[in-house]
Amino acid sequence: QKEVEQNSGPLSVPEGAIASLNCTYSDRVSQSFFWYRQYSGKSPELIMSIYSNGDKEDGRFTAQLNKASQYVSLLIRDSQPSDSATYLCAVIIRNNDMRFGAGTRLTVKP
Amino acid sequence: NAGVTQTPKFQVLKTGQSMTLQCAQDMNHNSMYWYRQDPGMGLRLIYYSASEGTTDKGEVPNGYNVSRLNKREFSLRLESAAPSQTSVYFCASGDRGNQPQHFGDGTRLSIL
Repeated sequence: QKEVEQNSGPLSVPEGAIASLNCTYSDRVSQSFFWYRQYSGKSPELIMSIYSNGDKEDGRFTAQLNKASQYVSLLIRDSQPSDSATYLCAVIIRNNDMRFGAGTRLTVKP
Repeated sequence: NAGVTQTPKFQVLKTGQSMTLQCAQDMNHNSMYWYRQDPGMGLRLIYYSASEGTTDKGEVPNGYNVSRLNKREFSLRLESAAPSQTSVYFCASGDRGNQPQHFGDGTRLSIL
């Protein structure tokens, strides 16, 4: 079992809809969780960090963490074509050891 | 406002050649990292340096060596390049081991 798993997609949503991206992780002691966005041919860009159970909102983005279920999600409200990218879930399984999911490719159609 | 700078951006090597990838950060971060990214595999940690003077193996260290030259610089060396090392290499830095990491633009390396 991989440490971090994501649906590879592709996920396609219409402009203005909510995009929901999901991630599960295997190490129960993980404490730090991140979502990165990666445009094609570019480097990963941090968009959200979450450390505690519950929801964390930043603009159109909401990260959700459920440690009991070992589940992290990212919601993108009012999706825009510029949100089309690959979204990477990352989990620190011990200090300095960050593991990434393979990424979910999101396409937002105008 | 450079952040994390990697050189070179592109490189083509022949099998058996050696190469050093350079990375420098100007954010005064303690920790630095080297990853490789392959299609369908996501990012995988090669080596990291938690602080100046220390280095540790990550998930896929075989075939690589690293040097933390000072707090700003962290280099990755391929001593004898193999086609399996064809990949995109990213350097990243972070303030501490449980904090988010910030990535450079990457080096696209092809080994023939």
